[in-house]
Amino acid sequence: QKEVEQNSGPLSVPEGAIASLNCTYSDRGSQSFFWYRQYSGKSPELIMSIYSNGDKEDGRFTAQLNKASQYVSLLIRDSQPSDSATYLCAGSDRGSTLGRLYFGRGTQLTVWP
Amino acid sequence: DARVTQTPRHKVTEMGQEVTMRCQPILGHNTVFWYRQTMMQGLELLAYFRNRAPLDDSGMPKDRFSAEMPDATLATLKIQPSEPRDSAVYFCASGLVRLPDTQYFGPGTRLTVL
Repeated sequence: QKEVEQNSGPLSVPEGAIASLNCTYSDRGSQSFFWYRQYSGKSPELIMSIYSNGDKEDGRFTAQLNKASQYVSLLIRDSQPSDSATYLCAGSDRGSTLGRLYFGRGTQLTVWP
Repeated sequence: DARVTQTPRHKVTEMGQEVTMRCQPILGHNTVFWYRQTMMQGLELLAYFRNRAPLDDSGMPKDRFSAEMPDATLATLKIQPSEPRDSAVYFCASGLVRLPDTQYFGPGTRLTVL
């Protein structure tokens, strides 16, 4: 059973702080990882993808992948109240089942002014 | 602005009734996924299609759920008969098979079975 585990939170940070979201995965065969943001009552929206060890930066977001530790994280710098949402971590089992994603349960983030 | 569309956006029905949800994937996308999201279970994959062929429907209750892609622009998810435990938000997502794989979600159908 392939699993993605996230710290369930909720996570609360002040505006301007760094929010750190973490995720571990069980399947060493997973090759690609994704962070989705989901506002309350809305659909998940892809914000970051990463498939190589190390860091990937996009604006205020940095995704980090450590395949040896089976660990994925998302850092949000200069957090804004508009970042308040649930963040879903997902791993892709591209090797054998053609691209299906395994989602974690999500971490709820609140950024307070 | 290419988007996945889903209809209906909201559906309230009584137990035992048939429910049909429709999805139009982004033009050119060859993979379609159906998910169900509840507070208790999170986001669960029900079924997915590649080039209209079903690849995996192991997440669906087989006795009452069925998923089809009659053509490349339409995917359907049917529940017959519906039960209160089917109440959830059902998302369709579409994507292309390439690295990194990405999926684009539709707005969802919020189903309530009374």
